[in-house]
Amino acid sequence: SQELEQSPQSLIVQEGKNLTINCTSSKTLYGLYWYKQKYGEGLIFLMMLQKGGEEKSHEKITAKLDEKKQQSSLHITASQPSHAGIYLCGADGSGNTPLVFGKGTRLSVIA
Amino acid sequence: SQTIHQWPATLVQPVGSPLSLECTVEGTSNPNLYWYRQAAGRGLQLLFYSVGIGQISSEVPQNLSASRPQDRQFILSSKKLLLSDSGFYLCAWSRTGTGELFFGEGSRLTVL
Repeated sequence: SQELEQSPQSLIVQEGKNLTINCTSSKTLYGLYWYKQKYGEGLIFLMMLQKGGEEKSHEKITAKLDEKKQQSSLHITASQPSHAGIYLCGADGSGNTPLVFGKGTRLSVIA
Repeated sequence: SQTIHQWPATLVQPVGSPLSLECTVEGTSNPNLYWYRQAAGRGLQLLFYSVGIGQISSEVPQNLSASRPQDRQFILSSKKLLLSDSGFYLCAWSRTGTGELFFGEGSRLTVL
């Protein structure tokens, strides 16, 4: 079965600093999804990557998928308190199977 | 537009009591439906998914069960709760053939 490893598990950054969260798969990814969760709430979809080398951006968040389609990174530029939360990556192994998720990275942004 | 609702939002139950969590989706037809559980230190764990009425796939054998009595309704149940059933339960849906999930607000279950 597919497994996703996220690093770091938690991150505390000062407001305005950049940060990167990594997600590594044990198998080649069919699709890689990034979600954000505020504590005690549901997950909000951020971005989906499918092609090797693909990169997508939304506001100050950029996600990349490596050429081998086994690793993805999420980069936040000039972090703000609104970026705080749990970031989870989810993998689609074949396009027809339910997403498998990593354990998440808890991000705190301090003033 | 599509919406997903799950309830109750919070539940405190004694060990050995039954459980019923409900989830409904509006604005779409024949969605794939999912129940995930999020427990501290264990990430988001897939419990059940359904591709149609009466079709349930179980990912984790345990004392929980799921049913889909109607196209857009998904129910998570237990006859006797265990302490280990405590957690944050999330219902989600997706369009057939796509991987993107749309999540409900979650239900926090505490078993005492």
